[in-house]
Amino acid sequence: QKEVEQNSGPLSVPEGAIASLNCTYSDRGSQSFFWYRQYSGKSPELIMFIYSNGDKEDGRFTAQLNKASQYVSLLIRDSQPSDSATYLCAVTQAGTALIFGKGTTLSVSS
Amino acid sequence: EAGVAQSPRYKIIEKRQSVAFWCNPISGHATLYWYQQILGQGPKLLIQFQNNGVVDDSQLPKDRFSAERLKGVDSTLKIQPAKLEDSAVYLCASSLRRGSSYNEQFFGPGTRLTVL
Repeated sequence: QKEVEQNSGPLSVPEGAIASLNCTYSDRGSQSFFWYRQYSGKSPELIMFIYSNGDKEDGRFTAQLNKASQYVSLLIRDSQPSDSATYLCAVTQAGTALIFGKGTTLSVSS
Repeated sequence: EAGVAQSPRYKIIEKRQSVAFWCNPISGHATLYWYQQILGQGPKLLIQFQNNGVVDDSQLPKDRFSAERLKGVDSTLKIQPAKLEDSAVYLCASSLRRGSSYNEQFFGPGTRLTVL
């Protein structure tokens, strides 16, 4: 059974702080790793993807991947109230469907 | 570029009734996915199509769920008969092609199904 684990939260941070979201996965054959953001009542939207060990930065977002530890994380710098949402971690092998975690709810207070 | 379209957006039915959902993927996207998202959980794959062929339907409850993708474009997902536990959001997603390590999937707005 291929699994993706996330802390469901809620994770609460003040505006301007760094939010750190974590994810572990069970399938060592996983090749690509995604972070989706999902606002309440909306569909998931892609924030970032990563497939090499290390860090990948895009604006205020940084994805980190450690394949040896089977660990993926997402850092959100200068958190804004508009970042309040559920963040879904997803993994896939080449050409297969995404396997999602249950998501972590982030709440950014102003 | 138009996104993934789904209809209806909302549906309320009684248990044992039938329901169908429709999805139109992004133009040119060969791969189409149906996911089920129960409240408080992440999306779970029901079925994956490559053009009009089924790639993965291992998690589709085939005694009540069926799906087709005629002509490799639009797709319909049917539930017959519905059970209370089928209450969920049904998400359709599409991606450009299968077989690459980077496989960005674009999601439609979803259909929220309530079974009473």
